[in-house]
Amino acid sequence: DVKVTQSSRYLVKRTGEKVFLECVQDMDHENMFWYRQDPGLGLRLIYFSYDVKMKEKGDIPEGYSVSREKKERFSLILESASTNQTSMYLCASSQESGASLGNTIYFGEGSWLTVV
Amino acid sequence: KNQVEQSPQSLIILEGKNCTLQCNYTVSPFSNLRWYKQDTGRGPVSLTIMTFSENTKSNGRYTATLDADTKQSSLHITASQLSDSASYICVVSGTFTGGGNKLTFGTGTQLKVEL
Repeated sequence: DVKVTQSSRYLVKRTGEKVFLECVQDMDHENMFWYRQDPGLGLRLIYFSYDVKMKEKGDIPEGYSVSREKKERFSLILESASTNQTSMYLCASSQESGASLGNTIYFGEGSWLTVV
Repeated sequence: KNQVEQSPQSLIILEGKNCTLQCNYTVSPFSNLRWYKQDTGRGPVSLTIMTFSENTKSNGRYTATLDADTKQSSLHITASQLSDSASYICVVSGTFTGGGNKLTFGTGTQLKVEL
């Protein structure tokens, strides 16, 4: 079974702190994603990566950065956490995506971040 | 603007009954449509993936249909069980220049199955 592991399930951080959310996948997938999920808004893409050291902005990248030093690991960084970043963060991975491929996207269990 | 709208927003049914969830989308050009099940506090899990040429796809008691002409999809759950209680998310993939896929997520239908 494909496994996408998010290291922290629940975090409480103070405003202004630097926060690291780690994600590891074990299927040698090229693509990795970070989403946040808020009630009534659905999942929104923050950043994605299609290869090591490569990253692309998603729909809501402001206030976030990412790092992909190894193929299996994709980290989301909140440089200076703010209360409006309180949310559930979901990491996902998939194999390389072509124009018409329907590769399954596998999600982690989510990280609940509260910024106080 | 690419959008995915799901209805109803929430639904309560009795165990053993059937139900149908709806998904309308405006994503263009269209690549594929996925249904995910998300248990409370967990990550989404894939149920089905359909391309524009597929009308129906089943996964156990879950059957998804797709009408690419009207840009509508439905997820039918047969003989519901308590474990079906979850949020069901419709996700539409559209192609963009360069061959990549962009996913647009619906906000989900919250299903509760009761005794």
